[in-house]
Amino acid sequence: DAGVIQSPRHEVTEMGQEVTLRCKPISGHNSLFWYRQTMMRGLELLIYFNNNVPIDDSGMPEDRFSAKMPNASFSTLKIQPSEPRDSAVYFCASSRQVNTEAFFGQGTRLTVV
Amino acid sequence: KQEVTQIPAALSVPEGENLVLNCSFTDSAIYNLQWFRQDPGKGLTSLLLIQSSQREQTSGRLNASLDKSSGRSTLYIAASQPGDSATYLCAVSKNNDMRFGAGTRLTVKP
Repeated sequence: DAGVIQSPRHEVTEMGQEVTLRCKPISGHNSLFWYRQTMMRGLELLIYFNNNVPIDDSGMPEDRFSAKMPNASFSTLKIQPSEPRDSAVYFCASSRQVNTEAFFGQGTRLTVV
Repeated sequence: KQEVTQIPAALSVPEGENLVLNCSFTDSAIYNLQWFRQDPGKGLTSLLLIQSSQREQTSGRLNASLDKSSGRSTLYIAASQPGDSATYLCAVSKNNDMRFGAGTRLTVKP
């Protein structure tokens, strides 16, 4: 398996623009997570899904953030409109079942100017 | 809310030394604890997963222990090598709510 695949790897956008980050979990994994990593706050859990259903989105910082998982092999994290303080590395992770080993993608480095 | 703390924040050791990284958490009602490694600019690589019913896990030169009741875990690295230089993160999980510590940045000098 190729592991968790995220795209793009790097994104530079202007403030106010819409940004969409994509994630393909490992085949057969039923849980998917979105994290944000910054120097100041470390790794923050934004949202997680079980069987394509969002379970807890309390970590989503603002209404500008939204996440979807239309099927078991694809998820998106959207920021609209983007702001400079959204600049961070966004990670997607997946696990086979609830409370099993989690595997991370390589991340998307987002820069909002 | 679960709080995860890792001590020390940074550690520098000469090659060949054995070392211990520490992780503590405030809510002992966890399902598992996972140790990760992160290289600069890269994603997280899973090293070891300890279920709440287990006391330790071993993989090669790595040994992780878990004392759930006291809210502590340690990662022991034997015979450290320069290639072990990275940031090590612990994460505790309950029903897929996985929370991370800030990490320990390890440098192993040749």
